Amino acid sequence: ETGVTQTPRHLVMGMTNKKSLKCEQHLGHNAMYWYKQSAKKPLELMFVYSLEERVENNSVPSRFSPECPNSSHLFLHLHTLQPEDSALYLCASSQDRDLRLNQPQHFGDGTRLSIL
Amino acid sequence: AQKVTQAQTEISVVEKEDVTLDCVYETRDTTYYLFWYKQPPSGELVFLIRRNSFDEQNEISGRYSWNFQKSTSSFNFTITASQVVDSAVYFCALSEAKNNDMRFGAGTRLTVKP
Repeated sequence: ETGVTQTPRHLVMGMTNKKSLKCEQHLGHNAMYWYKQSAKKPLELMFVYSLEERVENNSVPSRFSPECPNSSHLFLHLHTLQPEDSALYLCASSQDRDLRLNQPQHFGDGTRLSIL
Repeated sequence: AQKVTQAQTEISVVEKEDVTLDCVYETRDTTYYLFWYKQPPSGELVFLIRRNSFDEQNEISGRYSWNFQKSTSSFNFTITASQVVDSAVYFCALSEAKNNDMRFGAGTRLTVKP
């Protein structure tokens, strides 16, 4: 029980599909994050939300669209993805109220995404 | 730009051996934070430690210890008397106080054999 739950655990989709990844945290945290973990590449921070407002977007292609309807839920909407987008997508949360990424982050188990 | 280097891609040890995972970082900020995370086969990252740039005191937590040396920009992680359950990928990460970015190293895959 990590406190951060991601669904689905595995997702296979075609390049023309539209799907969404879901993340839910039960820790009362104020900040949530999306990371991408590709094979043989360092973990990449994609998006940061603090108090439901996006505070960071690290040059992520527009085919990835995040949504944070409240402090407990974070979505990553996917459309028209490319094969190179196949990766493990990790969600995390932290207590952070300010904009500094200096708090320990609690991670979910990730969604392993495969693009056909 | 901030950068984290974990030069050891893979390490294999036999149970009960001590092992040190290296982490070297680059930053121009005077205030920054260093982290170690463990990623077991299940996928989630588990927070191990956070260190701020003003606290160079080494820390020990059970079989884990960390050696932070600003002079060499290193934040090495040692596991004493390793166990099979320590097998995982370990990531070192750096966050600067002035921005909202977190940079991870490429990770070191540790295999502890019985």
